[in-house]
Parts: sequence; structure tokens; C-alpha cells
Amino acid sequence: GEDVEQSLFLSVREGDSSVINCTYTDSSSTYLYWYKQEPGAGLQLLTYIFSNMDMKQDQRLTVLLNKKDKHLSLRIADTQTGDSAIYFCAARRSSNTGKLIFGQGTTLQVKP
Amino acid sequence: DAGVIQSPRHEVTEMGQEVTLRCKPISGHDYLFWYRQTMMRGLELLIYFNNNVPIDDSGMPEDRFSAKMPNASFSTLKIQPSEPRDSAVYFCASSLRGHPTDTQYFGPGTRLTVL
Repeated sequence: GEDVEQSLFLSVREGDSSVINCTYTDSSSTYLYWYKQEPGAGLQLLTYIFSNMDMKQDQRLTVLLNKKDKHLSLRIADTQTGDSAIYFCAARRSSNTGKLIFGQGTTLQVKP
Repeated sequence: DAGVIQSPRHEVTEMGQEVTLRCKPISGHDYLFWYRQTMMRGLELLIYFNNNVPIDDSGMPEDRFSAKMPNASFSTLKIQPSEPRDSAVYFCASSLRGHPTDTQYFGPGTRLTVL
């Protein structure tokens, strides 16, 4: 079955860029997502990318997709302390109407 | 809209007791999902419903777990009997339709502790 892997922890200084990486195994995954979870809260969708795209930009967020290597990354420009949270990568097949497979989550720590 | 509502927010119970978690999805959403989050296993999909009908329950760990959706505005996840290894945060989420671009909106979660 599908497996989604992420590094567990990333620490950056305020104002720097953060890059969170994710790899997935199922080449049939056609939709890939980034979610953010703040302490004590549920997950919030940040952005998603279709597998026929290489890059998507949304304000401070840039998603890069390398289909050949099955590698997804989320870049946060000018990282702020409010960006401190857990970031989840998730994958989904187009044929599947609901099931998302989540990575373990990357804890982003932003130091002032 | 108030978003996805879950209750209770925290539940502490003793092993062997029955636990019922509740969820009210966003009005008008056709899909409802139950997830479990633990340190060891991360975020796992337990079951999801479309128009109140269970579609995929392959993630339900054992027969001790059951989920129902009697109407479009209410769902329950029941554990009977509960065990310490069921301790986790349980999330409910809903989405408008099943299309991949439909956002799944998550509730705040129920933190379950089984002693």
C-alpha cells in the first residue's frame, strides 16, 4: 500500500526559509497535500498540487513536486514564529473518493 | 458555519468501559471521516461515510470499534470495551463532495485516555 515519509523535526530562525520534505511510494498518487496542525487543534489544509504540476506557489508557500523521485517539498519563505506547528504531507489516488494517506508529520520550530 | 464539532474534547476512562465519541459535520457536506492520531502510528483513517453510508471501514482496528451515521448531521465512534492502547486523539473531518480538490475540514479532536 501507499507509504508517505517525512523527516520528524526542523528548526529554523525567524526570517529564514523553511523546507519540509516528503516522499511517497505509490506512483498512482495524483493529488498531494500539505496540512498544518497547531497545538491542540485539528489539521488545516494549506495547499495541494496535482501530479501533472511541478510547482505551485501561494503567497509565502511554494510546493515542488518531483514525480520521478516521488518527492514533494513545502517551502515557507520568511518563516515566522506563528508558522511553528506540525506539517503533514498526504497523498491520494484520483480513483479514491476519500482516502488520504498521511505522513508522520514534521515539527517545525521557529526560533526568534 | 461553526466548523466540524466534536464532543467531548477530552475523555478519561477506565479499561473495559464503553466510550462514545461524537461528531457534527459541516452542514451540507456529504463526506465524513474518522481519524486516529498517535505518536507511534501517526494519523490513520479509520472509516469514512458518503451520504451517511459507510464506504471504507478497512482502517477500523478491531470489532471493538464501531461507527454510525444515523443522519447527515451526526456521527458516533464507539469503542467497547476500551483498552489502554486505544488512547489517542480522534479526529472527525468532513468534505463537501468526494472530489480530490474538496478540502477536508477537521474538527478539534477528542483526546481519549484509557487507564
